[in-house]
Amino acid sequence: DQQVKQNSPSLSVQEGRISILNCDYTNSMFDYFLWYKKYPAEGPTFLISISSIKDKNEDGRFTVFLNKSAKHLSLHIVPSQPGDSAVYFCAANSQTGANNLFFGTGTRLTVIP
Amino acid sequence: KAGVTQTPRYLIKTRGQQVTLSCSPISGHRSVSWYQQTPGQGLQFLFEYFSETQRNKGNFPGRFSGRQFSNSRSEMNVSTLELGDSALYLCASSLSWNRKSEQFFGPGTRLTVL
Repeated sequence: DQQVKQNSPSLSVQEGRISILNCDYTNSMFDYFLWYKKYPAEGPTFLISISSIKDKNEDGRFTVFLNKSAKHLSLHIVPSQPGDSAVYFCAANSQTGANNLFFGTGTRLTVIP
Repeated sequence: KAGVTQTPRYLIKTRGQQVTLSCSPISGHRSVSWYQQTPGQGLQFLFEYFSETQRNKGNFPGRFSGRQFSNSRSEMNVSTLELGDSALYLCASSLSWNRKSEQFFGPGTRLTVL
């Protein structure tokens, strides 16, 4: 049972435009959320996180929004750059889960120059 | 500083065999977690070790086991391999098992079971 879902397997965006990657979760115990980026032949690298006490967290071109009532989060990349082309994973964690992260299946972002 | 290293990078085995994968965490990191990545399921948590003790375990059969040594290096073992065990196995290290401690992933071991 997939507790974290990324329903869009792929997304293509023009360079300079906004990329919006979406993620939904089902477990109401999740209270910490992360985004990871993965290039081919490399492990995932941490991008940005958000705690459930916030509804927005910003880091440079990357902003994560959390809507707890909808159990939905999104990652906005503005402006998108060709180097952002990668697979993006959403992950979630609960207080009882220690380092156990529940991942989505990923969204492949392609930024077209 | 050196990142997380995993050996071997690629492995081909046949059904029924067993396999051992190795993970060396970032120097100073004492927590190692293992994940299985398959196309349809994404990354799924296998287990986590901290100070040579398993702290957390995912929903995998007992054929999947692991251990951690005093130098924090970790190994995972899969016995009686099945075709469905073909996957990318990733390990991640962090300073502690506090969930806010950032996890750094290695490049993974690609296991193919024939």
